[in-house]
Amino acid sequence: DTGVSQDPRHKITKRGQNVTFRCDPISEHNRLYWYRQTLGQGPEFLTYFQNEAQLEKSRLLSDRFSAERPKGSFSTLEIQRTEQGDSAMYLCASEGSGTDTQYFGPGTRLTVL
Amino acid sequence: DAKTTQPPSMDCAEGRAANLPCNHSTISGNEYVYWYRQIHSQGPQYIIHGLKNNETNEMASLIITEDRKSSTLILPHATLRDTAVYYCIVDNYGQNFVFGPGTRLSVLP
Repeated sequence: DTGVSQDPRHKITKRGQNVTFRCDPISEHNRLYWYRQTLGQGPEFLTYFQNEAQLEKSRLLSDRFSAERPKGSFSTLEIQRTEQGDSAMYLCASEGSGTDTQYFGPGTRLTVL
Repeated sequence: DAKTTQPPSMDCAEGRAANLPCNHSTISGNEYVYWYRQIHSQGPQYIIHGLKNNETNEMASLIITEDRKSSTLILPHATLRDTAVYYCIVDNYGQNFVFGPGTRLSVLP
């Protein structure tokens, strides 16, 4: 257990529905990352926050995806109008100042039917 | 694209040392070498990282060549629980991780 928690761990939804995932980073960690991982591939970067500011977004993050970190603590990732291609593991990682290391949560596995 | 190349798979006998190689010939002077592993259906787990000196912690040792173009992760006494996909990543300050497909290590009884 790294101290990064994600909720839910599994989500099954129908195509077209909206879903929201939550990540609670390690306390005091100011950086928070979201990744997506499909079967057989390594994680792919989606977006990154420093405190509450979203500093970088991958081109993978289409306009159906939105992420927030309103108070610089937990973060949410929302996918609107889900598609079957959104089925993946969504991973969150946090990093503290000066640690130069990301610690990952257990992930949320999304299945879109 | 990932800046590293790793063999897609390796086997290791239980109790023996597992030596996982990684090539990173385009590494720049301020980039660290990071190793993570991912056990099936879990999030990646940090193992170790280093800049140019060899590093050791309770999990593993990291040997970086003098020219820094390659490195080896050593698990000194592999157990069945070390079966996982191992990722080698190069990055400065740990903020722009690009994961490749990694090496799938199978520890055999």
